[in-house]
Amino acid sequence: QSALTQPASVSGSPGQSITISCTGTSSDIGSHYLVSWYQHHPGKAPKLILYEAYKRPSGVSSRFSGSKSGNAASLTIYGLQAEDEADYFCCSFARGSTPWLFGGGTKVTVL
Amino acid sequence: EVQLEESGGGLVKPGGSLRLSCAASGFIFDIASLNWVRQAPGKGMAWIARIKGKNDGGTIDYAAPVQGRFTIWRDDSKNTLYLQMNSLKTEDTAVYYCITTLFSPNSFDAWGQGTMVAVSS
Repeated sequence: QSALTQPASVSGSPGQSITISCTGTSSDIGSHYLVSWYQHHPGKAPKLILYEAYKRPSGVSSRFSGSKSGNAASLTIYGLQAEDEADYFCCSFARGSTPWLFGGGTKVTVL
Repeated sequence: EVQLEESGGGLVKPGGSLRLSCAASGFIFDIASLNWVRQAPGKGMAWIARIKGKNDGGTIDYAAPVQGRFTIWRDDSKNTLYLQMNSLKTEDTAVYYCITTLFSPNSFDAWGQGTMVAVSS
């Protein structure tokens, strides 16, 4: 099983929207909606921002939105803010020897 | 407040051993499914081991790269998760996190800050 594929970096200006993709296969993302997204500021504990592809945990800003189509999931950040500058990674349940696969992470830069 | 705090990381030579601990608080520990994941320098997260809670029989699973070398166990009386790492290789160098699912199904909404393990001669 391979890791999920994410772009290495995405950037945007304050107020803009950005989208991060997470591509898997029919054995993981393509077979269910069990995709989650995390925000990770270096040196801190990662924070769950979306689960089951598009659901937001309590307390997470509505500026974070998720979707899924086929073998890929996406995270969109609306109204980009300086505090959104962080690494973002996806995770998917997988049918195989490894129950959970992660993406390589995407560094978001706010210009 | 939910807390997970890893400890036990450090520098070890190839072939050596290390034991990581994860002290938990703020949730019902004995029914929680607990995982170890790691992030190697410049790489993404990778799941390496899981131990289910008592209601699920405490089932244990390992990722192929650590099977036979790493052992996960839990002490529910101490609310602590462990990872014994033997026969360490340079490719085991990573930040190790303990994580669990509490409120958001099929995801990990509780993470520690991680503990660094460096395997080098």
